[in-house]
Amino acid sequence: QKEVEQDPGPLSVPEGAIVSLNCTYSNSAFQYFMWYRQYSRKGPELLMYTYSSGNKEDGRFTAQVDKSSKYISLFIRDSQPSDSATYLCAMTASGGYNKLIFGAGTRLAVHP
Amino acid sequence: GAVVSQHPSWVICKSGTSVKIECRSLDFQATTMFWYRQFPKQSLMLMATSNEGSKATYEQGVEKDKFLINHASLTLSTLTVTSAHPEDSSFYICSAQSTSGGFNEQFFGPGTRLTVL
Repeated sequence: QKEVEQDPGPLSVPEGAIVSLNCTYSNSAFQYFMWYRQYSRKGPELLMYTYSSGNKEDGRFTAQVDKSSKYISLFIRDSQPSDSATYLCAMTASGGYNKLIFGAGTRLAVHP
Repeated sequence: GAVVSQHPSWVICKSGTSVKIECRSLDFQATTMFWYRQFPKQSLMLMATSNEGSKATYEQGVEKDKFLINHASLTLSTLTVTSAHPEDSSFYICSAQSTSGGFNEQFFGPGTRLTVL
């Protein structure tokens, strides 16, 4: 069993839709939870990070962490074609030394 | 955000040759750098962690003698793929991190695509 599970998709939605991306994990030591966006042939860029359980909102993006269920989500509201990318969740037990464990990534396509 | 560069962005080489990839933090000092490998449609797999002035720490299954990592300064780390073979063809991505307490974001480079013929 992988430490972090993420459905690779692909996920195709119309412009303006609400997108829900999810990851599950098995290691209860994880404390920091991150979402990265990666465009084709580029390095990942950090979208959001959350410490422990709870919600965090940044513009059209909302990250949720439910540690009791070992389940994290990223919601994208009013999705745009420019949101088309691969979204990777990542986790680490310590914020100071970031050995990140990545999910497989979900490919998202937002069509006009 | 901080900028990390990689050079070259892509490289094609013959089997048996060695290839060096550079990773630079352009506007901050990176005490720790990470090297990842990503196969098509797969996630990033950590290969090794390097701290400035120290030997790199390799992940299980990564050959130290094949993937040589040098972190000679706070802004530069290099990955040398020695005696490259077609199975080493992949997308290699580095990240750099500064230590300032709390959550220390890793900033990723744009990646280097290696093709071994």
